[in-house]
Amino acid sequence: DGGITQSPKYLFRKEGQNVTLSCEQNLNHDAMYWYRQDPGQGLRLIYYSQIVNDFQKGDIAEGYSVSREKKESFPLTVTSAQKNPTAFYLCASTRGSLSGANVLTFGAGSRLTVL
Amino acid sequence: AQSVTQLGSHVSVSEGALVLLRCNYSSSVPPYLFWYVQYPNQGLQLLLKYTSAATLVKGINGFEAEFKKSETSFHLTKPSAHMSDAAEYFCAVSEPNYGQNFVFGPGTRLSVLP
Repeated sequence: DGGITQSPKYLFRKEGQNVTLSCEQNLNHDAMYWYRQDPGQGLRLIYYSQIVNDFQKGDIAEGYSVSREKKESFPLTVTSAQKNPTAFYLCASTRGSLSGANVLTFGAGSRLTVL
Repeated sequence: AQSVTQLGSHVSVSEGALVLLRCNYSSSVPPYLFWYVQYPNQGLQLLLKYTSAATLVKGINGFEAEFKKSETSFHLTKPSAHMSDAAEYFCAVSEPNYGQNFVFGPGTRLSVLP
């Protein structure tokens, strides 16, 4: 079955370290997204990419970086510049139609804890 | 800018009782509207969506929602709650012709009491 795979599921990081969260999809979707989830705040957009080799900042991009070298992959790096990185991170994708009602398909998430 | 509000961060119902989760949006044009469910430590799963067809939308697991333009609302209902419905529910919007951009509400945690 097609879907989105995020890894690792749980990750612990020391302060000052960069970490990379993996997101792979086999849905042949064009657009991919990274969201951060904190209790009581819903989902906040970090970065999104509509096509390979192109991506845009979301609402809370500071301290994060991404790449989109392949259609299937959209890894997120949480850098040491991110002041409060402990959160649940969700990757999602859509077909990417500019006018249609795109539906987000989500991965199972990665929980990052900074020690 | 679009925004989504969900009244009640936590709702408790008894098993078998009506479930009503509220969602109001602000948008300059009638948007596309979605309800997602999230179980603990999992991703979000689509329950249902409104895309300008029928205003009453039926989704999975017996849920439905009604789009009311005059009230800018898209409340989620289920006639009879089941223990397995306990989860967090998110309302989201996107604008036609800007289908890449989604705005989520803060979520409502539903508890189902035996």
